[in-house]
Amino acid sequence: QKEVEQNSGPLSVPEGAIASLNCTYSDRGSQSFFWYRQYSGKSPELIMFIYSNGDKEDGRFTAQLNKASQYVSLLIRDSQPSDSATYLCAPRGAGANNLFFGTGTRLTVIP
Amino acid sequence: DAGVIQSPRHEVTEMGQEVTLRCKPISGHNSLFWYRQTMMRGLELLIYFNNNVPIDDSGMPEDRFSAKMPNASFSTLKIQPSEPRDSAVYFCASSDGQGVYNSPLHFGNGTRLTVT
Repeated sequence: QKEVEQNSGPLSVPEGAIASLNCTYSDRGSQSFFWYRQYSGKSPELIMFIYSNGDKEDGRFTAQLNKASQYVSLLIRDSQPSDSATYLCAPRGAGANNLFFGTGTRLTVIP
Repeated sequence: DAGVIQSPRHEVTEMGQEVTLRCKPISGHNSLFWYRQTMMRGLELLIYFNNNVPIDDSGMPEDRFSAKMPNASFSTLKIQPSEPRDSAVYFCASSDGQGVYNSPLHFGNGTRLTVT
């Protein structure tokens, strides 16, 4: 299996702060990268994806990709208590349809 | 639109029994995935199908596990015989596979399996 490394946390940030979630991956052939959020006892749900180097913004979320460094991150601006969840990073390899998931980072936003 | 539907939501069984998990993908999606999630190992890909054909089953733990997809709207994951270490949440996911770069996986609600 491809290796996907995430800091397991827990990561605690105060409400309104920026949360920064990081992910490194081993497969240099990975072409696109997905971020999922998983609330306790629930299934993963898609936040956003990125496949070009640089930043991609979607509302309060910004994904950042650096393929040379094999690094992808997710920034959450103006963090809310409802953002408290586990965030999963999932690269997709070239020509592949499946996703390999990291173990996730648990985020807690403190009111 | 109905999402990915899994059944049962919870399954409790005794060691040695056969367990069958079921999944109905989103209509029109041509790829289906089975994942297992545990605290220790996170989300592990077990097997996935494209157009009902198994593409990669390298994640299936051992011969006790088998998966089928007889048609585009139904798949099963079977464990026979079950063991306590199989206890986990099993997720089914589907995607439309078009524009592979940006085709996300849509997950079902999962089946929580407990083997005693």
